[in-house]
Amino acid sequence: DIQMTQSPSSLSASLGDRVTITCQASQDITNFLSWYQQKPGKAPKLLIYGASNLATGVPSRFSGSGSGTDYSFTISSLQPEDVATYYCQQHTSLPLTFGGGTKVEIK
Amino acid sequence: QAQLLQSGADVKKPGASVRVSCTTSGFTFIDYYIHWVRQAPGQGLEWMGRINLYSGGTIHAPKFQGRITMTRDTSISAAYLDLSRLTSDDTARYFCAGGGFHYTDTFDVWGQGTMVTVSS
Repeated sequence: DIQMTQSPSSLSASLGDRVTITCQASQDITNFLSWYQQKPGKAPKLLIYGASNLATGVPSRFSGSGSGTDYSFTISSLQPEDVATYYCQQHTSLPLTFGGGTKVEIK
Repeated sequence: QAQLLQSGADVKKPGASVRVSCTTSGFTFIDYYIHWVRQAPGQGLEWMGRINLYSGGTIHAPKFQGRITMTRDTSISAAYLDLSRLTSDDTARYFCAGGGFHYTDTFDVWGQGTMVTVSS
């Protein structure tokens, strides 16, 4: 199985700050990486697919990048509605696996 | 737009089986996949398996071997997850998620989740 190591596990930032989360795969996942946002008590929501493609309707302050085994997810200017837990997920091979999640809070 | 609606919460005793249903709308059912993902209380996400809604073919994570069955009913655009021999470790919220809108194994749309509690 491909292991996905996500960091940090939590962070606290001020409104308007740039926030970056990283995800490292245990092997090359050739950009088959997605990012999800999960708010408390809700289902996850797809934000980014194929490492850098923004899903429909997702604000442009969210972005993704990376290649090989190393990927990152950025919120360019943190907003109150961005308080959530974010997960990366590889979809290059089965079983599909997720990172452990990053809880984002407002300082 | 694509929507997934799941069955309500359930409580089961250890050793029992549970069925979770996922009714779909807003897209051509047989063109896509349904994945099942679960989340134990306070924990992360775990992929369980997927079903090809056209062929009915399934594939699941090895840890669920022998306990998981995924089916679909094309006449009513619904998918089902059956999990047997439940233990307390199966207490979780179970989500269905639609795949194939971008990639087969990206979870493009999600159901609201079904809480399954296993308790004696």
